[in-house]
Amino acid sequence: DTAVSQTPKYLVTQMGNDKSIKCEQNLGHDTMYWYKQDSKKFLKIMFSYNNKELIINETVPNRFSPKSPDKAHLNLHINSLELGDSAVYFCASSPALSVHGYTFGSGTRLTVV
Amino acid sequence: AQSVTQLDSQVPVFEEAPVELRCNYSSSVSVYLFWYVQYPNQGLQLLLKYLSGSTLVKGINGFEAEFNKSQTSFHLRKPSVHISDTAEYFCAVSGGDDKIIFGKGTRLHILP
Repeated sequence: DTAVSQTPKYLVTQMGNDKSIKCEQNLGHDTMYWYKQDSKKFLKIMFSYNNKELIINETVPNRFSPKSPDKAHLNLHINSLELGDSAVYFCASSPALSVHGYTFGSGTRLTVV
Repeated sequence: AQSVTQLDSQVPVFEEAPVELRCNYSSSVSVYLFWYVQYPNQGLQLLLKYLSGSTLVKGINGFEAEFNKSQTSFHLRKPSVHISDTAEYFCAVSGGDDKIIFGKGTRLHILP
């Protein structure tokens, strides 16, 4: 059983398209996150949800919109994709506090052409 | 606010030799420190974490790290590396809120 699963694993799309990445965790964690990893491996937090409530919203273009239908799911929708959105997007989850560390998904490699 | 500095972007080391990956942090509050490993084309996996108590923390795969408050460091060590340790290693810090801040990573190259 995969603890944090993301789909799709790879996503190639044209500029201007709208796409979604899905994430599900079966760990019973309260908090879920989206991180972006750029080509230099730098990881930057984008969003955090706690029990379906938005907690962290870093400086991210409003073309990115997270949605959490329940505490086990956190999806990321991206409108009007740009070349600079190409990256690996990681979903993660943690118990109530981040002090316990995160469990990461295996990532979604988004390539915008 | 918290921040993390990983002093080396790449560390080459011969197989079976010891290795130390350096990490310094800054924080105005109590910190919780982590090391994560990312194998090629995979997600991040928690190696070890420091929350409180003993400053020497043991993790998976034979890794350990020492929390040094006076030097604001949390260096990762392994006494003898194996080719399978080839990966990117990330030091990370949390101030206890809902956010973990990651360093820029250190690529560990194991030389035969």
